[in-house]
Amino acid sequence: DTGVSQDPRHKITKRGQNVTFRCDPISEHNRLYWYRQTLGQGPEFLTYFQNEAQLEKSRLLSDRFSAERPKGSFSTLEIQRTEQGDSAMYLCASGTVLSGANVLTFGAGSRLTVL
Amino acid sequence: DAKTTQPNSMESNEEEPVHLPCNHSTISGTDYIHWYRQLPSQGPEYVIHGLTSNVNNRMASLAIAEDRKSSTLILHRATLRDAAVYYCILRAINTGTASKLTFGTGTRLQVTL
Repeated sequence: DTGVSQDPRHKITKRGQNVTFRCDPISEHNRLYWYRQTLGQGPEFLTYFQNEAQLEKSRLLSDRFSAERPKGSFSTLEIQRTEQGDSAMYLCASGTVLSGANVLTFGAGSRLTVL
Repeated sequence: DAKTTQPNSMESNEEEPVHLPCNHSTISGTDYIHWYRQLPSQGPEYVIHGLTSNVNNRMASLAIAEDRKSSTLILHRATLRDAAVYYCILRAINTGTASKLTFGTGTRLQVTL
């Protein structure tokens, strides 16, 4: 297994367009997370899945954002009607328990630029 | 989640030990101390975690104060590849479904020759 994969790595779009990001987690991890990171800040939590169930959503996840994990494997994050403020790195992570604690493995991220 | 306080930045010379401090005076008895780091243009990477006792792994050591109100991540011999932002994060045991990690702004470590 090669870790968490994210696609595309970079996306440039015009304001108002829809974009979709895909995340392939580590296969044996049943937990999957989406984070957003802007320049100079730490990652901010967006949402979390356990298997196919979306168990938590941040207030940052406006109604233009939707995430799915239909079969409990890969996940997609869609942003509709993108705005310039959506420009950020979108990070996916999968989680497992190590020595009693939840440990996350992150992908390299998908960088979104909205013009 | 309880809050952590870290210096914004630190510098180190290559091949010297680095001690990255983290204060967490409001830590509860069920909080694990996690450290992650983020290299340039990459996602965060797990480094180490601990609860009460000091911990060692191949990447680093974690020294936890006896009162658990502070901890120190120790890189025994810094290399240029250790230049990154280091995040100290508290996360409670048995948080059920709310198992996310909450990141602050971390400490940016610069390593020079």
